[in-house]
Amino acid sequence: EAGVAQSPRYKIIEKRQSVAFWCNPISGHATLYWYQQILGQGPKLLIQFQNNGVVDDSQLPKDRFSAERLKGVDSTLKIQPAKLEDSAVYLCASSLPRAVQVPYGYTFGSGTRLTVV
Amino acid sequence: EDQVTQSPEALRLQEGESSSLNCSYTVSGLRGLFWYRQDPGKGPEFLFTLYSAGEEKEKERLKATLTKKESFLHITAPKPEDSATYLCAVQASVQLTGNQFYFGTGTSLTVIP
Repeated sequence: EAGVAQSPRYKIIEKRQSVAFWCNPISGHATLYWYQQILGQGPKLLIQFQNNGVVDDSQLPKDRFSAERLKGVDSTLKIQPAKLEDSAVYLCASSLPRAVQVPYGYTFGSGTRLTVV
Repeated sequence: EDQVTQSPEALRLQEGESSSLNCSYTVSGLRGLFWYRQDPGKGPEFLFTLYSAGEEKEKERLKATLTKKESFLHITAPKPEDSATYLCAVQASVQLTGNQFYFGTGTSLTVIP
C-alpha cells in the first residue's frame, strides 16, 4: 500500500511570501488532515476534510492559511503571506471515514519542512 | 479542556536499561489512545492503539498499557535503534469532528550504546 505523499520536502521562503504544499492521501482514505508541528511540539490540527468538505478548521489561521481538497483526493495547503512563526513541519495524514473503526489512527506523510526567514 | 501531557520531555538510557514513558490525558469520551514513533525528518509512525483501561499491547521491546487517566510505554532492554521521539495521541468522542486527535508534545528518547 502506497503511503501518504507530500511535496515539497523542504521549502525556504522570505516572510510575506506565499507558499503551497501538496498532499496525496492513501487511496480510499476519505478523511484528510493537515497538521502543523513546530519544533519540539506535538502536531496541531489545522484542518480536517471528509471527502471534499471541511469538517473542522477551527484552528486554521484563516487570514493567511487556506486549504482545499479537489475531487476528494489530493489536497493543497497555502500560506499567504507567511510569517516567521509559520516555520514548522506541515504534516498531511489520512484515515478511513469517521464512521469506520480506525484502529491504526492516522497514516502520516513525511511532511514539508518550512523555514520562513 | 481536553489535554494530553507526556513526561519526561527527554530521556537518555544506556543500551539495555529499561524504562517507561508516561502519557496522561484529560479527554471527554476517550475513543482510543495511540502511540506513535517519530524519527527526525519523518512523519509519525503508528505503534499501538489502546481502547479501554487495563488493555495492553506489545511489539518487540515495547509494551503499552492504559489506565483511566494515563498510558505508559514500557521499553525493555532498549537498543540504539529505539532512539526517536515517542508521541501519544488521544481520540476524543467529538460528535461533529469524529476523529479529532489531541497530541502530546512527545518524549525524545536517546539510547546510548
